[in-house]
Amino acid sequence: EPEVTQTPSHQVTQMGQEVILRCVPISNHLYFYWYRQILGQKVEFLVSFYNNEISEKSEIFDDQFSVERPDGSNFTLKIRSTKLEDSAMYFCASRAGESTDTQYFGPGTRLTVL
Amino acid sequence: AQSVTQLDSHVSVSEGTPVLLRCNYSSSYSPSLFWYVQHPNKGLQLLLKYTSAATLVKGINGFEAEFKKSETSFHLTKPSAHMSDAAEYFCVVSDRAGGSYIPTFGRGTSLIVHP
Repeated sequence: EPEVTQTPSHQVTQMGQEVILRCVPISNHLYFYWYRQILGQKVEFLVSFYNNEISEKSEIFDDQFSVERPDGSNFTLKIRSTKLEDSAMYFCASRAGESTDTQYFGPGTRLTVL
Repeated sequence: AQSVTQLDSHVSVSEGTPVLLRCNYSSSYSPSLFWYVQHPNKGLQLLLKYTSAATLVKGINGFEAEFKKSETSFHLTKPSAHMSDAAEYFCVVSDRAGGSYIPTFGRGTSLIVHP
C-alpha cells in the first residue's frame, strides 16, 4: 500500500542553523501539507501546497519557514534559522485530489534544537 | 469555524473490556470527521472517517464510530481492547469552509490498556 515517507526520522541541530525536512508524498497525490506537534500538545497545521504554490498557511508559518517541491517526488520544509521553540515532531501529509478530504500522514521527523 | 473537543486526556481499560473515546465537534458546515491513531514513535494512521454517508463507520482493527448530528459527537468505540491498542488517538474535523481542507485536530486521548 502506498505511503508517505519522511527523512530523517530524527534531526538534531544547533539554534540558528538551517534545517531541511524531506517528505515523499504518495505518488499521484496533488495536495501536500506540513504539520507540527510540539511535545504534549496538539497537532498544528503549518502549510498546504498545491500546483507548485502555497495555498494556505497558518500564523506559525512565518518568514523563517519555506516549502518547496524541487522535483516530481519530494516535498521539503526548510527552517532558515532554527529556534529552541521549533523543537517538535513535523508531519508531512498528502491528499489525492479535490474529490476527497482524507489526508495520509508520514511517520514524522523529530526535530530537536539545542 | 470548526473545532473539536476530546473529552478525556487519558482513558484506562483492562484488556478484553470495551473502549470508548469521546469526541465532540463544532462546525458551520457539513463536516468530515476522522479518527487517527499514533503509536509511540510512529506517525498518524487513519483509523476511520465519516463523510456524510452511513452514520456508523467501521474502521480498522475493530474500531468503529458513530456520527450523531444532534449531539455533535463522533465517539470511537471498540468492543474488546487489546494490548496493541495502547496509543494516542486523535479526533479530527474538516468542514471545507471557504474551500479549505485544513483539518482541526483534537488534543488527543491516550488509551492505556492493562493486562
